[in-house]
Amino acid sequence: AQSVSQHNHHVILSEAASLELGCNYSYGGTVNLFWYVQYPGQHLQLLLKYFSGDPLVKGIKGFEAEFIKSKFSFNLRKPSVQWSDTAEYFCAVSHSGGGADGLTFGKGTHLIIQP
Amino acid sequence: DTAVSQTPKYLVTQMGNDKSIKCEQNLGHDTMYWYKQDSKKFLKIMFSYNNKELIINETVPNRFSPKSPDKAHLNLHINSLELGDSAVYFCASSLSGRETQYFGPGTRLLVL
Repeated sequence: AQSVSQHNHHVILSEAASLELGCNYSYGGTVNLFWYVQYPGQHLQLLLKYFSGDPLVKGIKGFEAEFIKSKFSFNLRKPSVQWSDTAEYFCAVSHSGGGADGLTFGKGTHLIIQP
Repeated sequence: DTAVSQTPKYLVTQMGNDKSIKCEQNLGHDTMYWYKQDSKKFLKIMFSYNNKELIINETVPNRFSPKSPDKAHLNLHINSLELGDSAVYFCASSLSGRETQYFGPGTRLLVL
């Protein structure tokens, strides 16, 4: 069975600080990888995704993530955070073999940006 | 313009009642899902449907019954509601089950 670990449950940063959120997954096959963001009181929005190709993927709002297959990791980064980045961040994986697989989510990281 | 919509947005009800949550997507996707987000924000897949056919049914009490009248709709009916059913329920859809999933706004269910 797939599992996803997000090591940082709560992160507090000041504006303009750099951000890196860790995500590791456990699965023996080929996976699709995602980062979703949930702003307070809102639904999940896709930040970025990796299916294949260049392991460094760029998403919306200045976010990027790097897939390191040997480490089973897909860490999210942003060089300079803003107050509006305060939200819950979820890493997720799905089996890339097809079928209507659901996403397996990590427990989320609550990010607070202090002005 | 809403891609994935859910109704109602909020649902407050008594224990033992039966309630339904509706989901519709206008993206032309053929796969739809229900997720439950608990009070600690943990998201877990409940069901997935592909072309109106049930594909995934995770360990969910049989009080929960999804119904897909067509590819654009996946409704969730819950019988005999319990306190532990209080959560936010998200509907999502994707193309062919392999692509990015798009989420609805969520239905916040509170069972008293």
